[in-house]
Amino acid sequence: GAVVSQHPSWVICKSGTSVKIECRSLDFQATTMFWYRQFPKQSLMLMATSNEGSKATYEQGVEKDKFLINHASLTLSTLTVTSAHPEDSSFYICSASWSSAEVNYGYTFGSGTRLTVV
Amino acid sequence: DQQVKQNSPSLSVQEGRISILNCDYTNSMFDYFLWYKKYPAEGPTFLISISSIKDKNEDGRFTVFLNKSAKHLSLHIVPSQPGDSAVYFCAASQGGSEKLVFGKGTKLTVNP
Repeated sequence: GAVVSQHPSWVICKSGTSVKIECRSLDFQATTMFWYRQFPKQSLMLMATSNEGSKATYEQGVEKDKFLINHASLTLSTLTVTSAHPEDSSFYICSASWSSAEVNYGYTFGSGTRLTVV
Repeated sequence: DQQVKQNSPSLSVQEGRISILNCDYTNSMFDYFLWYKKYPAEGPTFLISISSIKDKNEDGRFTVFLNKSAKHLSLHIVPSQPGDSAVYFCAASQGGSEKLVFGKGTKLTVNP
């Protein structure tokens, strides 16, 4: 259980275009989803926390107008990189939190999206 | 300000031996800790977690120890296998379902 599906797994786009990444919880309802970014050989950097039906909470230094997050349902959150530039090239990962009687609560991650802006 | 620190960027052990990965944290409000394993270009895979009310949690070959007074936790893998070779991230959260704060990771290499 607690499977998170993230699409696409990789995408190449031209500078100035927008790219949408989807994150779905397949077998549970995710009230809260998180979006991370990972640069090569570095840790996962939290970009924003997305709550169903409300505006996302962005971490300091993350441009909310550039990285649009929508969490319209309990099973889907999307990250749109608007007007992408080469410096936006990175590995983006989503995560959803869940709770159970066995492990209290946990976090499941998607498989990530490799974005390359050319 | 790094709230979760993994001071060893890499660790190399022999197959069959114990791997010990360490993690320190500074925020005393953290009450839930997790270890994840990650391969390049993939999302992290959950390994094991521990609540602050416990000092040890075991799951098969993986055991996590928590020392709250020292704000330190460690992941023990016994016996280590070549398939365990990956980057291991320590993460912490404050309260249920709150955001995770990650360490920088430790790259574990298990040699056959």
